[in-house]
Amino acid sequence: EVQLVETGGGLIQPGGSLRLSCAASGFTVSSNYMSWVRQAPGKGLEWVSVIYSGGSTYYADSVKGRFTISRDNSKNTLYLQMNSLRAEDTAVYYCAREGRAVTKDGYYYYYMDVWGKGTTVTVSS
Amino acid sequence: SSELTQDPAVSVALGQTVRITCQGDSLRSYYASWYQQKPGQAPVLVIYGKNNRPSGIPDRFSGSSSGNTASLTITGAQAEDEADYYCNSRDSSGDVVFGGGTKLTVL
Repeated sequence: EVQLVETGGGLIQPGGSLRLSCAASGFTVSSNYMSWVRQAPGKGLEWVSVIYSGGSTYYADSVKGRFTISRDNSKNTLYLQMNSLRAEDTAVYYCAREGRAVTKDGYYYYYMDVWGKGTTVTVSS
Repeated sequence: SSELTQDPAVSVALGQTVRITCQGDSLRSYYASWYQQKPGQAPVLVIYGKNNRPSGIPDRFSGSSSGNTASLTITGAQAEDEADYYCNSRDSSGDVVFGGGTKLTVL
């Protein structure tokens, strides 16, 4: 069964660090684009970061310089290292597998077809 | 990064048809994908690409695109379709973007 399971969330003080993990089963993390998406309480989805199969990484401006996405191929696991945490980082963090394709008329499309259930990060003193 | 704009809320009578829209410049280059999210649950992909449905998604869900606007149509809305719906795409810099979400109420 294709599955993602996030762990590592919790209560952390402002300025602190936390590492989230996302264990995959049923597919290979390193062969796919993998994203972290978060959702603050009562708010919409916000993309956080993506790592491509080739290893390139991209970040939302709101977390650039503070968060680092990585993966461990031997453990088939995705990570998000979060440093200098702020109250506004409080959210449920989801990891997701991202598929991609191109149509015959040249349109690219991307889609997150597998999501974990999320892990909650609360930044508060 | 570019933005994707959605109406905050839409309502539909049970069994009727509803269209949820998503506007943004990036949609001229990329097809949108659509996600359904019910309270306390993770998002679920419902439409991707030109008009593709993942396995298990009812065929009352369909997608279309024109210019800078993508649409998700539910034909014959059911009570279980009441949820938040998000569109998603990429922008020219490679960043992933989500719309603000549309809360669908089935009356």
